[in-house]
Amino acid sequence: SYVLTQPPSVSVGPGKTATITCGGTNIGQKSVHWYQQKPGQAPMLVIGYDSERPSGIPERYSGSNSGDTATLTISRVEAADEADYYCRVWDFYSDHAVFGGGTRLTV
Amino acid sequence: EVQLVESGGGLVKPGDSLRLSCEVSGFTFTNAWMSWVRQAPGKGLEWVARLKSKKDGATKDYAAPVKGRFTISRDDSNNFLFLQMNSLKTDDTAVYYCTTDRPAYKSTSYKVSDYWGQGTRVTVSS
Repeated sequence: SYVLTQPPSVSVGPGKTATITCGGTNIGQKSVHWYQQKPGQAPMLVIGYDSERPSGIPERYSGSNSGDTATLTISRVEAADEADYYCRVWDFYSDHAVFGGGTRLTV
Repeated sequence: EVQLVESGGGLVKPGDSLRLSCEVSGFTFTNAWMSWVRQAPGKGLEWVARLKSKKDGATKDYAAPVKGRFTISRDDSNNFLFLQMNSLKTDDTAVYYCTTDRPAYKSTSYKVSDYWGQGTRVTVSS
C-alpha cells in the first residue's frame, strides 16, 4: 500500500519559516491535503489540492508538490501554529485515503 | 453554522458491535462525500471509510483493517452519516471523526468545504 513519510518533529523559532515534508513515490502526481491538529481538537484543513488555502487560513501557509515530495511551508511562524500536521492523499491503486504519520511542529 | 455531531461511541468488549452516527447541519449534505477517520490514543490519523454522494454514485471504500467488518451508510433525508462496526477488536479503540471528503483531484463541480466533527470515543476492551 502507498506510504507517506513525514518527519516526526520540526522545531522552529518564532518569526522563522517552518518546512514540513511529506514523501511518497511520485507524490507529485497526486493531490496532497494538509491538516493541522491541536491538542484535544479535531483536525482542520490548512492546505488542499497541493497549494490551495481554505477560507480563513493565513497567507503564511503555503504548499507545493513535485516529484517524490510535498511540502507545507509556514512563514513567520507564531506560537499558535504549534500543532501536529498531517499530509493526506488518495491512493487509486488501493482506493484508500492515506495519511502521513504526522509531524509535531514546536515553536 | 456548520455542525457535525458524532454519537454512539462507548466501551464495548471484543467481538461486540457498535453503530456510530453523525448528524450534519449547515451545508448541503446530499452533495457531500463523507468519511470516517479515527485516531487511536496517542497516535496519528487513520482513514476508515468513505461514501460518495448519491449523484456521484454512492461508492463505498474501506481501509483494509476494517473491510468486511465496518459498513458506512447515509440518510440524506435526515442528514445523517453512519458507521456500523461489527466484530470489534481492541485495535479499533480510537476517537472516530466524521468529516467531509473530496475528489482525489480538484473538481470545479464539487463545492463542499472541509468540515469535521469533534469525534466520538470508542473503547474496545475485555
